Amino acid sequence: SAVISQKPSRDICQRGTSLTIQCQVDSQVTMMFWYRQQPGQSLTLIATANQGSEATYESGFVIDKFPISRPNLTFSTLTVSNMSPEDSSIYLCSVATATDTQYFGPGTRLTVL
Amino acid sequence: AQSVSQHNHHVILSEAASLELGCNYSYGGTVNLFWYVQYPGQHLQLLLKYFSGDPLVKGIKGFEAEFIKSKFSFNLRKPSVQWSDTAEYFCAVNPKDTGRRALTFGSGTRLQVQP
Repeated sequence: SAVISQKPSRDICQRGTSLTIQCQVDSQVTMMFWYRQQPGQSLTLIATANQGSEATYESGFVIDKFPISRPNLTFSTLTVSNMSPEDSSIYLCSVATATDTQYFGPGTRLTVL
Repeated sequence: AQSVSQHNHHVILSEAASLELGCNYSYGGTVNLFWYVQYPGQHLQLLLKYFSGDPLVKGIKGFEAEFIKSKFSFNLRKPSVQWSDTAEYFCAVNPKDTGRRALTFGSGTRLQVQP
């Protein structure tokens, strides 16, 4: 398994500002992902964080709004830029192990006022 | 692209009742299948997974799921639920044949177990 931590665990932000969420894994993993879970809804994949190259974004998500960094095999950041109340969500980091199993971090609960 | 349907959005059971939560997926190729659970205030935890082999898989906390290929289903079962099983349950898939490792999730089923 993999142990994943995220910072911050929650934040309340003003419209128009940006927030960077950090994800740290306790072991080296090839695949890291960022998901969003809007209130009362399921998880939606934002992007795959690729180590050493640009992230791969899902339809409906763009790099300018959700820039992602992946400087090494244990760490990634997701920035939510120019926030609006519609960005209020739980943002989750996950990793896929060599056995193809995905583990999730505790999430970052973001509220945008 | 693949999709996942969970038809039961909210299930209420009494303790000791049996549980079956439905999950159907849509994809033409072979898939890996997962059930995750999210207890109130906690993060997603893996309940069980199916990659290949015996279609009946057992997970943690007495849960099991059966993969029925002909029905594109992966229903979750537990013979006797407890109050502590109150949680949201998510079915998820990823395709084996595309190299895509990210998961596609169903909409989730909220299980409420009454004491």
